[in-house]
Order: sequence, then structure tokens, then C-alpha cells
Amino acid sequence: QVHLVESGGGVVQPGGSLRLSCAASAFTFSSYGMHWVRQAPGKGLEWVAFIRFDGSNKNYADSVQGRFTISRDNSKNTLYLQMNSLRAEDTAIYFCAKDRLPLGYCNGGSCYPADYWGQGTLVTVSS
Amino acid sequence: DIVMTQSPDSLAVSLGERATIDCKSSQSVLYSSDNKNYLAWYQHKPGQPPKLLIYWASTRESGVPDRFSGSGSGTDFTLTISSLQAEDVAVYYCQQFYITPPTFGQGTKVEIK
Repeated sequence: QVHLVESGGGVVQPGGSLRLSCAASAFTFSSYGMHWVRQAPGKGLEWVAFIRFDGSNKNYADSVQGRFTISRDNSKNTLYLQMNSLRAEDTAIYFCAKDRLPLGYCNGGSCYPADYWGQGTLVTVSS
Repeated sequence: DIVMTQSPDSLAVSLGERATIDCKSSQSVLYSSDNKNYLAWYQHKPGQPPKLLIYWASTRESGVPDRFSGSGSGTDFTLTISSLQAEDVAVYYCQQFYITPPTFGQGTKVEIK
């Protein structure tokens, strides 16, 4: 069974940094594009970033562009999200999720919806 | 960016009755090369990760009960729960994955009347 486990969340002051990790298992991680999606308290889902299966292309939401960096280590089956210059509005549960089908890359981004999601990790930005 | 707008924001339906959620995109998500609508529906329950229900606008994900169905094309889509069960209480989101950034609707909360 596909398993995605996020870690690295916590409380950080505005302007601070955090690195989230997502450990993947039970599928060929190196063949799948991966996403980070977040949900702020009382709000809906917001897509944050996508990385192509081989790490060669990355996309970001405007709200995090220039502050967040998505990366992956296919040898460790792990996805990362480096978050810098954090703001109060970045407070959210962060989910990692995998593309539904492998090797997808269309129109400069993902071709597919996300079929498996982790349980999420909470990031709180507060002084 | 493509804006996704769902209606209603919330609805209350009696057990066994039909629930219908609409989703409208600000531009077409129908890709002419493969004639597929790049539209998905998710179910999200508190404390759980979102669950993929429907993709390509009308294809049910494996294991999803057949009371869930999706329809529509171009810019107008509908998720229908034919006979609402207690376990269907959740927030439902549509999402387009045609153009980056993939964007979600604001969500529709479904409750029992």
C-alpha cells in the first residue's frame, strides 16, 4: 500500500525557516511527480508546489515563489519542501501527494491529479 | 490562473437523498488533443488527507462507491452523490489540472439534514 509520511512541521517565528520531508514507500518514487498542498486553518486546499519525477522541473504557487523550494532525493524516496522567510499566512497543514500516473509532464507541469496523500504536518508561524 | 468556483458553499441533504455540487472553471479544461477534461473531485474529511474520487471529470477512482458520479465538459461540471450516506459528510473540492498552477474550488461542505 502506498505510504506517504510528512515530518518537519512545527512552530517558527515570522521570517524563520523550516524544511519539511515526505518519506514515500510502496511505489516507484522516482517515476512519479510529487506535490505539496496546504490547508490553512478554516480554509480550503491550496496547491503549493510540484516537482517532476526526475527533479528536472519545478513549479510554485505565486504565494510561495522565491521563498519555498521543492526538491527530491530519489535514492532516499524522499520529497522535501524548504520554506524560508515564513509569514503568518503560511500557517497550515502541509500535505505531500503523488501524481496518479507515472512519468507525467504536460504543459510545463503535472498531467494528473493526486491519488495518494500523506496525513499532513502542521506548520505554525507565530511570534 | 484558472479560477474554479463551486456552488453551493454548503448543503444539507437527507440520508438517502441526492446531493449535487456544481463547479465552474474560468476557462475550458478540455484538452482537444486527447478530448479529456482535466478536472478532478476530492472528498476531504476532518483529520484525514483528501481522497481522490473522480478524475477526467467522470472517471471514478478505484474503490470509490458508484453512488459518486461526475459529469460535465469544458467549463461546467457536476459531482452527484446519488444516495447520501452518513459517511459522505465531508468537504468536496473540484480541481483543474489542465494548466499550472493546478487550482481548487473553494470547497462545498455536505451535511446531513
